[in-house]
Amino acid sequence: GQNIDQPTEMTATEGAIVQINCTYQTSGFNGLFWYQQHAGEAPTFLSYNVLDGLEEKGRFSSFLSRSKGYSYLLLKELQMKDSASYLCAPLGSKGGYNKLIFGAGTRLAVHP
Amino acid sequence: DVKVTQSSRYLVKRTGEKVFLECVQDMDHENMFWYRQDPGLGLRLIYFSYDVKMKEKGDIPEGYSVSREKKERFSLILESASTNQTSMYLCASSPYPRQTQGRTYEQYFGPGTRLTVT
Repeated sequence: GQNIDQPTEMTATEGAIVQINCTYQTSGFNGLFWYQQHAGEAPTFLSYNVLDGLEEKGRFSSFLSRSKGYSYLLLKELQMKDSASYLCAPLGSKGGYNKLIFGAGTRLAVHP
Repeated sequence: DVKVTQSSRYLVKRTGEKVFLECVQDMDHENMFWYRQDPGLGLRLIYFSYDVKMKEKGDIPEGYSVSREKKERFSLILESASTNQTSMYLCASSPYPRQTQGRTYEQYFGPGTRLTVT
């Protein structure tokens, strides 16, 4: 089966660091995406990992362990504008096609 | 910049009406997708298309159909709207699976249509 598990909500303080974890089970695996979605807006691409290890991009980093079915998104120097939902989305396969499988998302609230 | 547009941001329809949701992308992408997003459930794939005139069922196709007559346009059709189809509908597009600056399969989303069926 296919299953994505990430925390429903998290809170953090401005300037701090927060780590959002994601565990997944998919049929086939071709990498994992993280998307950011502000309330009432479309998801926007944050990161893509296909190999094990850490990918750093400015204040955001994403880690992948394929053997453990585990990823995390690390946000540093948090800003108020980082308050949003963060969607973990592994790229699995089903019926001969590759498809993104989205988790329910983690709603992050950043407080002053 | 990739642009994916959807015909309406908000839509209110009555039970039993036929509803058309339109999506247009301007990046010549081969792949297009329709999702619905509900609280606590995340994005669920309704239908997708990898080419003109081609369509495949996603995870929750019941009650929906799609049309892709032109490459840039992908329409979602609710044949007879029901209250359980009240949701946020998101369209997305992506290029053919290939390494593109390390962002294989990245999907670009439209702004969404919040549909209410009364």
